[in-house]
Amino acid sequence: GAVVSQHPSWVICKSGTSVKIECRSLDFQATTMFWYRQFPKQSLMLMATSNEGSKATYEQGVEKDKFLINHASLTLSTLTVTSAHPEDSSFYICSARDLRGGRFLGTGELFFGEGSRLTVL
Amino acid sequence: AQKITQTQPGMFVQEKEAVTLDCTYDTSDPSYGLFWYKQPSSGEMIFLIYQGSYDQQNATEGRYSLNFQKARKSANLVISASQLGDSAMYFCAMREGLTGGFKTIFGAGTRLFVKA
Repeated sequence: GAVVSQHPSWVICKSGTSVKIECRSLDFQATTMFWYRQFPKQSLMLMATSNEGSKATYEQGVEKDKFLINHASLTLSTLTVTSAHPEDSSFYICSARDLRGGRFLGTGELFFGEGSRLTVL
Repeated sequence: AQKITQTQPGMFVQEKEAVTLDCTYDTSDPSYGLFWYKQPSSGEMIFLIYQGSYDQQNATEGRYSLNFQKARKSANLVISASQLGDSAMYFCAMREGLTGGFKTIFGAGTRLFVKA
């Protein structure tokens, strides 16, 4: 099956620094990727939809200046947590839409990355 | 408003027995898909099963089956012959086809504990 890779899988940084997380679709092109955030023992909360070649669409309550998303190519989306603070510590998961698969409402299959655990000290 | 509701924070099941994880959903979109994912402690999301809103039959994938009751807006996951490796978090999710921009929304999750 299709593979989505996230990097880094975990990162520790100091408060005030910026951290970039990459999400790559390894064997398919993904015009759309999604970024989720998961606090311990909680569900995945959709942060934004990343669209190749255009601006990301953010969910209500998500600060777009805080969480910068860039989807510059068909295989790469990046999430940058700017001026990170301890409350930004979380598990960030991306997913990418593979349009080749038509099972799911004809909208393509969704594949998840392994997740990136961010700890801000 | 909650679109996906999982009312069981935790469930216990004896090894080799069957267990049902509940999920109800809310949507006005006639075209939608329902998904179940497993998340072990390592964090990755593992796709288990899918049910489309127009599917006439309940979905099955090996030991997993989805009890789809459209009128009641429920999509319960049934795991038969539980194994110790089934211990994990389980998330019910929905994708709305026409109105949701193909975003996938997740429920709060149910933690399943399989006892030996």
